[in-house]
Amino acid sequence: QKEVEQDPGPLSVPEGAIVSLNCTYSNSAFQYFMWYRQYSRKGPELLMYTYSSGNKEDGRFTAQVDKSSKYISLFIRDSQPSDSATYLCAVYNAGGTSYGKLTFGQGTILTVHP
Amino acid sequence: GAGVSQSPRYKVAKRGQDVALRCDPISGHVSLFWYQQALGQGPEFLTYFQNEAQLDKSGLPSDRFFAERPEGSVSTLKIQRTQQEDSAVYLCASSLLDTQYFGPGTRLTVL
Repeated sequence: QKEVEQDPGPLSVPEGAIVSLNCTYSNSAFQYFMWYRQYSRKGPELLMYTYSSGNKEDGRFTAQVDKSSKYISLFIRDSQPSDSATYLCAVYNAGGTSYGKLTFGQGTILTVHP
Repeated sequence: GAGVSQSPRYKVAKRGQDVALRCDPISGHVSLFWYQQALGQGPEFLTYFQNEAQLDKSGLPSDRFFAERPEGSVSTLKIQRTQQEDSAVYLCASSLLDTQYFGPGTRLTVL
C-alpha cells in the first residue's frame, strides 16, 4: 500500500464547476500537507500548504485536512480552463534526516472545458 | 527572477550509456532534492542535500545512481549504465525553509 493514495482520474468538468480532489495517507507522523499543480512538461508548483486540521482558503482554492481520518482535499470554485493540469497532493514529516522529503500522491488529471 | 533550472531538458540515451543531469537551484537555497517522476505517476524522492552534505539517499534505486553537490550550489545526478526502466522525468527542487521550488525537469528516454 502506498503511503499516499490519490484517485488518478482523469476528471473532466465544465467551466464554472466546483472541483473536489482528494487524497488519503497512512502515516500519522505526516505533519505538513500540500497541493501542487503541474502543467504538461513543467515542474510542480505549490498551490496550498497547511499543517493543521481544518480549512485554508486562497482565492478560488480551499484546502481541507482531517488528520483524524488522514484525509486531505482540494476544492476549486468557479473552475477555469486555465486550471486544466495535474494536481498532486504531497505530505511530509519534518525532522531528522528526512526533513522536507515530500511523499506525493499519483496525481489527478483535471480538464476544464469551456 | 531566477528559478530552479535544469539541463538538459531532454536526453535520449542508448541502454548502457552514462548520463549526467544538472540542477541549478535558487541562489541561497540550502536544501536541494532530486525526485524521479515516471509517466502518469507522482514524483518519488531520490536524494536530499543540505549544502554540500548528502543527508538522505534512501530513494536512489540502485548503485548506478549517484548524486553530488560539491560546493553546496549546483548539483549533478549521474546514472551509470542506463537501463530502460530509468526512463522518467528527473525533477530537482530547492528550498530555504519549508517550501520546495521545482525545476522543469529533465526528461530521460533510454532506448
